[in-house]
Amino acid sequence: AQSVTQLGSHVSVSEGALVLLRCNYSSSVPPYLFWYVQYPNQGLQLLLKYTSAATLVKGINGFEAEFKKSETSFHLTKPSAHMSDAAEYFCAVSPLFSGGYNKLIFGAGTRLAVHP
Amino acid sequence: DARVTQTPRHKVTEMGQEVTMRCQPILGHNTVFWYRQTMMQGLELLAYFRNRAPLDDSGMPKDRFSAEMPDATLATLKIQPSEPRDSAVYFCASGLGVLNGVDNEQFFGPGTRLTVL
Repeated sequence: AQSVTQLGSHVSVSEGALVLLRCNYSSSVPPYLFWYVQYPNQGLQLLLKYTSAATLVKGINGFEAEFKKSETSFHLTKPSAHMSDAAEYFCAVSPLFSGGYNKLIFGAGTRLAVHP
Repeated sequence: DARVTQTPRHKVTEMGQEVTMRCQPILGHNTVFWYRQTMMQGLELLAYFRNRAPLDDSGMPKDRFSAEMPDATLATLKIQPSEPRDSAVYFCASGLGVLNGVDNEQFFGPGTRLTVL
């Protein structure tokens, strides 16, 4: 069964510092991969997605993620953190052979804190 | 601006009462998902539908939870009887469900925060 592991349930960075949120997946076939963000008291919002077109994926709000097959990783980065980036981030995988249905398997989430 | 809507946004009820949560998926989407989010368990998939037919509800406690789609514009999640351990935020999401395609994004509603006393 496919799964997603997010290393670090909490990450704290200074404003202006690099943001790195880690995600590893387990799958014998590279799946589709997603990063979602959840702001307090809101639903999840798509940041970016990998669909095999390009290994470096750019998303909204200055975030990007790189798919590395050899490492089965899809880490999320942002060069310079902003206070408004404080939120919870979820990595998710969509199995390629799930009967055609866009079922997502979510990681446990990483809460990002940004301090002045 | 198309979005998934959920009602109510907040619900406080007493143990044993029936709770019904509603979701209006984005017009044209053919897949609907129900999730439960708690601090302890994170995001759990409860059920999902395609073209209004339930495909997988293995994540739901069968004895008290039920999910339906009376029509393409309404999905419901019902708990009867409710228990304190059901307290959580319940999210509905919808998507296009393209066959092995790239458009696998799910669009989430704002959630229903349920508190069972």
